[in-house]
Amino acid sequence: GAVVSQHPSWVICKSGTSVKIECRSLDFQATTMFWYRQFPKQSLMLMATSNEGSKATYEQGVEKDKFLINHASLTLSTLTVTSAHPEDSSFYICSAGGGQPQHFGDGTRLSIL
Amino acid sequence: GIQVEQSPPDLILQEGANSTLRCNFSDSVNNLQWFHQNPWGQLINLFYIPSGTKQNGRLSATTVATERYSLLYISSSQTTDSGVYFCAVNRAGNNRKLIWGLGTSLAVNP
Repeated sequence: GAVVSQHPSWVICKSGTSVKIECRSLDFQATTMFWYRQFPKQSLMLMATSNEGSKATYEQGVEKDKFLINHASLTLSTLTVTSAHPEDSSFYICSAGGGQPQHFGDGTRLSIL
Repeated sequence: GIQVEQSPPDLILQEGANSTLRCNFSDSVNNLQWFHQNPWGQLINLFYIPSGTKQNGRLSATTVATERYSLLYISSSQTTDSGVYFCAVNRAGNNRKLIWGLGTSLAVNP
């Protein structure tokens, strides 16, 4: 079946560091990928839609200068958390789907000290 | 926009028991998926079921699109079934953006 690989699984870094998270579709092409954020004991919150070859579409309230998204190929989207601070600590998950259904990466747990 | 409501919010079962989780949605959809999020955060695709009935082992799901609800059945529950079960839907023409319910948190005790 369709596989989405997300890397890294865990990141611990100091405040002020920029962190890049990769999302790859391993056996299919994805013109669209989605990035979610999840707080403890809450549902997934869509942050942005990543479009291959064009700018990402951000949801209301998500800072596009803080969360940079690049979708340079049909199999790779990256989310960069720039100048991360403790309030950016969270669980980030990506998804992709050439059609229906969508498939999810295993998530990245980000901890900013 | 479309609303997705899941019930119950929390559920505690004894190992071996059966349960039914419900997902109501407020408008017509062209995609409905059930997920299990395990304690490590991994989201497992359970069913892609915009309509009809599907079964996979001890799990089965039924979506009645005309009445705007879906049910997830768990039979002979095991401790490994613990976690959060999410229902997510999307509508035609919205670029496959999923709308999520708040989930049902399930704990299966030995």
